Amino acid sequence: AQSVTQPDIHITVSEGASLELRCNYSYGATPYLFWYVQSPGQGLQLLLKYFSGDTLVQGIKGFEAEFKRSQSSFNLRKPSVHWSDAAEYFCAVGPNFGNEKLTFGTGTRLTIIP
Amino acid sequence: DTGVSQDPRHKITKRGQNVTFRCDPISEHNRLYWYRQTLGQGPEFLTYFQNEAQLEKSRLLSDRFSAERPKGSFSTLEIQRTEQGDSAMYLCASSFGGPAYFGPGTRLTVT
Repeated sequence: AQSVTQPDIHITVSEGASLELRCNYSYGATPYLFWYVQSPGQGLQLLLKYFSGDTLVQGIKGFEAEFKRSQSSFNLRKPSVHWSDAAEYFCAVGPNFGNEKLTFGTGTRLTIIP
Repeated sequence: DTGVSQDPRHKITKRGQNVTFRCDPISEHNRLYWYRQTLGQGPEFLTYFQNEAQLEKSRLLSDRFSAERPKGSFSTLEIQRTEQGDSAMYLCASSFGGPAYFGPGTRLTVT
């Protein structure tokens, strides 16, 4: 069965500092991987996605993620966070881009301090 | 394109009552998904439609839950005889050959 683990429940980062959110997955086939962000009262917004090709993918809002097959990881990074990045971040795995039967991790809450 | 909309945004009901939620997907999106999100958890897949056909249902979708998409446009999710364990955020998403776009969700509280 497929699963996603986000080991960090809550992370606090200073504004302007770099960020890395961890994601490990378990999937029997080649995974389609996603990162979503959820702000209070808002729906989930897709940050980026990966299936094949360059293992470093760029997303919106200055985020990027790196796929490492050997480590079954898909960590999300941002060089310099802004106060508006405070939100809940979810990693997800799915069977393909056209079928969004996704399995989500439990999320990482990001707090930004001045 | 106004995105995926869900109605109502909040619903408080007493245990044992029936509730119905509506989802309006993005126009022309042929796939529509329902997820449930409880506090401190990620969303969990419930069911999805391709046009009007319900193609898959999760084991989470007990016989008290029913979803429809009668004309391949909007969808409804009905919960009969609600239980306190049904309290959650119910998310709808739609897609057309690409990533899904999520709505803001309906928060259900069963008292």
